[in-house]
Amino acid sequence: GENVEQHPSTLSVQEGDSAVIKCTYSDSASNYFPWYKQELGKRPQLIIDIRSNVGEKKDQRIAVTLNKTAKHFSLHITETQPEDSAVYFCAAITSWNTGNQFYFGTGTSLTVIP
Amino acid sequence: DVKVTQSSRYLVKRTGEKVFLECVQDMDHENMFWYRQDPGLGLRLIYFSYDVKMKEKGDIPEGYSVSREKKERFSLILESASTNQTSMYLCASSLGTLNTEAFFGQGTRLTVV
Repeated sequence: GENVEQHPSTLSVQEGDSAVIKCTYSDSASNYFPWYKQELGKRPQLIIDIRSNVGEKKDQRIAVTLNKTAKHFSLHITETQPEDSAVYFCAAITSWNTGNQFYFGTGTSLTVIP
Repeated sequence: DVKVTQSSRYLVKRTGEKVFLECVQDMDHENMFWYRQDPGLGLRLIYFSYDVKMKEKGDIPEGYSVSREKKERFSLILESASTNQTSMYLCASSLGTLNTEAFFGQGTRLTVV
């Protein structure tokens, strides 16, 4: 099955700085890569995603890059704000005949210091 | 708005009890999932279901079973709760089509004493 590794496990940045979280995956059949943000005490929610036929996607202050050859993808947050503080999960999705199988990384706890 | 609802936010059960965690989604999603979330271990898949009465084991199915008698409802069962099953449990659902996001429930914090 798929194996998703995520680094770093914790990240602290000053407000206004950029934050980068990196993930690698093992299954070349994975074709969809979402990122989820989980605020304290809340459910994970999708913030951005990228499909395998795209190398980069941007949405305001957040961007995701994908390198299918190297099997890695990254989340970039620019101009960080205190409300960006949360746990971020990457995921790789493999589509089977039996449905979509989601494989999650172990999470990155981001703290933005005001 | 997709809504995935878990029946309890907090549960406290005794060792050896049979525990039922219920999850309901209202968007006619084919796929439903149960994850366990522990610090430093991320989201680990316990079981998933791609259709009514269908189920597949995830990475950590031991000590758990599931039931999906109706499309909208996916139940996680702890046959005999143990203290090492104390955790946050998250249910999720998604469409069966390619490349679609998963929507999560609010989580159930289970404590086994």
